[in-house]
Amino acid sequence: GENVEQHPSTLSVQEGDSAVIKCTYSDSASNYFPWYKQELGKGPQLIIDIRSNVGEKKDQRIAVTLNKTAKHFSLHITETQPEDSAVYFCAASYDTDKLIFGTGTRLQVFP
Amino acid sequence: KAGVTQTPRYLIKTRGQQVTLSCSPISGHRSVSWYQQTPGQGLQFLFEYFSETQRNKGNFPGRFSGRQFSNSRSEMNVSTLELGDSALYLCASSVTGDYGYTFGSGTRLTVV
Repeated sequence: GENVEQHPSTLSVQEGDSAVIKCTYSDSASNYFPWYKQELGKGPQLIIDIRSNVGEKKDQRIAVTLNKTAKHFSLHITETQPEDSAVYFCAASYDTDKLIFGTGTRLQVFP
Repeated sequence: KAGVTQTPRYLIKTRGQQVTLSCSPISGHRSVSWYQQTPGQGLQFLFEYFSETQRNKGNFPGRFSGRQFSNSRSEMNVSTLELGDSALYLCASSVTGDYGYTFGSGTRLTVV
């Protein structure tokens, strides 16, 4: 069935360093790839998304890249700050289909 | 503008009981989806509604059901609760249901 693998499960970085989280999806029909940030006690918050007709998208310190051939997509956070500490989820979907989520990455940014 | 509102925030129920959770989407959003989040299974899709019609359903037993009203508000119901139903239930809304989902803070259900 449809599956999204996410790595690493935990990531610790020093403030100011970059963080990269990678996901692989199995359904080649997937055409929408959002990234969510979830803080303790809150629901997932959409931070950036990309559609399959675009290879890269950037929003300030956050960027997402998509390799459709390899069925990989990645989240890049530059100049990390302590407030970036949270659990990050990738997801994939096809049109109005359900979001298939990765297993999450716990990012810790140390001052 | 107001976000997605889920009520109640916390619930404690006994095995065998039933429960109804409520979700009010962002104004103008016609698609509402429900997800179950647990430490073991992660985020799993339950169902999606658009204009009062269920368009998609995940792999959950028939004890899990939902509906959407004409004002786009949605409810989900779980009957004959089991201990394994303890989870954070999340509602997400979007304009058309194909992208840009905004999640609520969830309802934490504990079954004892």
